[in-house]
Amino acid sequence: DTAVSQTPKYLVTQMGNDKSIKCEQNLGHDTMYWYKQDSKKFLKIMFSYNNKELIINETVPNRFSPKSPDKAHLNLHINSLELGDSAVYFCASSFNGDNQPQHFGDGTRLSIL
Amino acid sequence: QKEVEQNSGPLSVPEGAIASLNCTYSDRGSQSFFWYRQYSGKSPELIMFIYSNGDKEDGRFTAQLNKASQYVSLLIRDSQPSDSATYLCAVNPRDDKIIFGKGTRLHILP
Repeated sequence: DTAVSQTPKYLVTQMGNDKSIKCEQNLGHDTMYWYKQDSKKFLKIMFSYNNKELIINETVPNRFSPKSPDKAHLNLHINSLELGDSAVYFCASSFNGDNQPQHFGDGTRLSIL
Repeated sequence: QKEVEQNSGPLSVPEGAIASLNCTYSDRGSQSFFWYRQYSGKSPELIMFIYSNGDKEDGRFTAQLNKASQYVSLLIRDSQPSDSATYLCAVNPRDDKIIFGKGTRLHILP
């Protein structure tokens, strides 16, 4: 199936741990994104990569580090997890250009105990 | 600070009626406008996009854009219970990242 797929779907872990979320798209898109959606459902962009190059880096703690090994993959590593990191993290992708719609993965629900 | 504003709702509409969802944006130079639907516990799903002033129709959905007044709206005709969801307006300002509104919860009453 053509899609944006991210793993895992659910992540429950203790405060202070380090975790990673993986994302892959097979839509042939050039640009990939990470979003955070908090408990109030506000969707906020964190990072954007275009063809493996970082182009958007919002005001996100440096505990969050994205990595793009190729244009079809964008992973997110989070160090020293905090309670406030609990949210749903969405990966998305699009073709290059401001007028291109984005296609979202199913999300990773991260819960910090 | 560039902003996208939506009424959070819930907006309750009887089944079969027209649901009207509105969105305003602050950056006059914005070029592209998107409507996403998000069911509870699911990911946002693109349902419409519009770039030019006027109306754009796709099935039961019509997107309306008025750049002079800086608003974009989504009309859903013949509303169905399956249309009950949160609708996110997204705006792409010129030379800047896409911004999402906080969404309007729509509830279609059977």
